[in-house]
Amino acid sequence: KAGVTQTPRYLIKTRGQQVTLSCSPISGHRSVSWYQQTPGQGLQFLFEYFSETQRNKGNFPGRFSGRQFSNSRSEMNVSTLELGDSALYLCASTWDGRFEQYFGPGTRLTVT
Amino acid sequence: DQQVKQNSPSLSVQEGRISILNCDYTNSMFDYFLWYKKYPAEGPTFLISISSIKDKNEDGRFTVFLNKSAKHLSLHIVPSQPGDSAVYFCAASGQNTGGFKTIFGAGTRLFVKA
Repeated sequence: KAGVTQTPRYLIKTRGQQVTLSCSPISGHRSVSWYQQTPGQGLQFLFEYFSETQRNKGNFPGRFSGRQFSNSRSEMNVSTLELGDSALYLCASTWDGRFEQYFGPGTRLTVT
Repeated sequence: DQQVKQNSPSLSVQEGRISILNCDYTNSMFDYFLWYKKYPAEGPTFLISISSIKDKNEDGRFTVFLNKSAKHLSLHIVPSQPGDSAVYFCAASGQNTGGFKTIFGAGTRLFVKA
């Protein structure tokens, strides 16, 4: 069974630009969550989607948004990029009602 | 507000000995706890979990202990192997925490010396 895939793997953007990251969950998984990882901060929860609906949201500004499609694939968008948005963005999927998540390799975003 | 804390950024252990990684949480609404392992350039992988109705769960060399009264959990790896060298994240979740949301600690980097 194919794992969680994320594209692109690496991205370099400049301040003020916007970026869209993509995540394809494991087949059959309908819950997709996004996390931001920065050094020393662990994984910060961004949001979780299930059946195209955002079910939960972390404490991030409105510049961070996401969506989920009918095939459970998900995208997250960051507008008006800031230097502090440089991080590894991880996507994770799971079956509904299950706590253990399966992570993709992440997208490394660098904002210059 | 760090609801899940891993106070040791790193831990070094000799091969064959026991590794003990610790985690504290503050939200009593958490009812499920997980440990993930992360190698460089890879996403975290699920290792072991424990429900709040239990105080111990074992899977091979890995055992997780939960002390609800102290809001503390620990991961024991016995015996430790060089391949266990990675960053370990403690995570807490629960349906009562405002929907399905998992809170992660900052991670502990484990070095297992051969």
